[in-house]
Amino acid sequence: EAQVTQNPRYLITVTGKKLTVTCSQNMNHEYMSWYRQDPGLGLRQIYYSMNVEVTDKGDVPEGYKVSRKEKRNFPLILESPSPNQTSLYFCASSLYGGGVAGELFFGEGSRLTVL
Amino acid sequence: ILNVEQSPQSLHVQEGDSTNFTCSFPSSNFYALHWYRWETAKSPEALFVMTLNGDEKKKGRISATLNTKEGYSYLYIKGSQPEDSATYLCAFKYNFNKFYFGSGTKLNVKP
Repeated sequence: EAQVTQNPRYLITVTGKKLTVTCSQNMNHEYMSWYRQDPGLGLRQIYYSMNVEVTDKGDVPEGYKVSRKEKRNFPLILESPSPNQTSLYFCASSLYGGGVAGELFFGEGSRLTVL
Repeated sequence: ILNVEQSPQSLHVQEGDSTNFTCSFPSSNFYALHWYRWETAKSPEALFVMTLNGDEKKKGRISATLNTKEGYSYLYIKGSQPEDSATYLCAFKYNFNKFYFGSGTKLNVKP
């Protein structure tokens, strides 16, 4: 089954404790991206990746890191989480980025609470 | 940060009513306009990807139009059903790689 898998789905952590949210897709998609969703706001793009070893900042990258060592995986790293990073996070992938306007396939979301 | 606005924020209709929502976006540097359907406790799923001015797309009772010159897209649902209840998101694709989402229109269809 074609899917984007995120883990963990739910996490409560404390300020400053490094954490990683994993994202994996099995569709051989080139483009992957991370979003956060906060009440009253639209999904905001954190980082995106056009392909292996190619990543770039979205609109709200502060406090986050990413890596793309393999095509299928795009983990989101919070080196020192703070309470303002409490949010619902989505990973999404698309066959291509760039000028080809492919639809995004979303993971099921990861709800993160930072105390 | 670009502004993508959706209206209304929420909508309550009766089963069988037809309804429509609006997505407004910047008219410059347009690459694509996406519509997604997001049900509670699930992940957003694509409805339409629209790229050309004047595009009209249809999937069953749902259709969408696109005006890139004036920066808006409409989503129409004909004969709403309770299973149409969801939040409808639009996303403006700006340059090659960036997406800007509206905050969504939450639709509730009462039986």
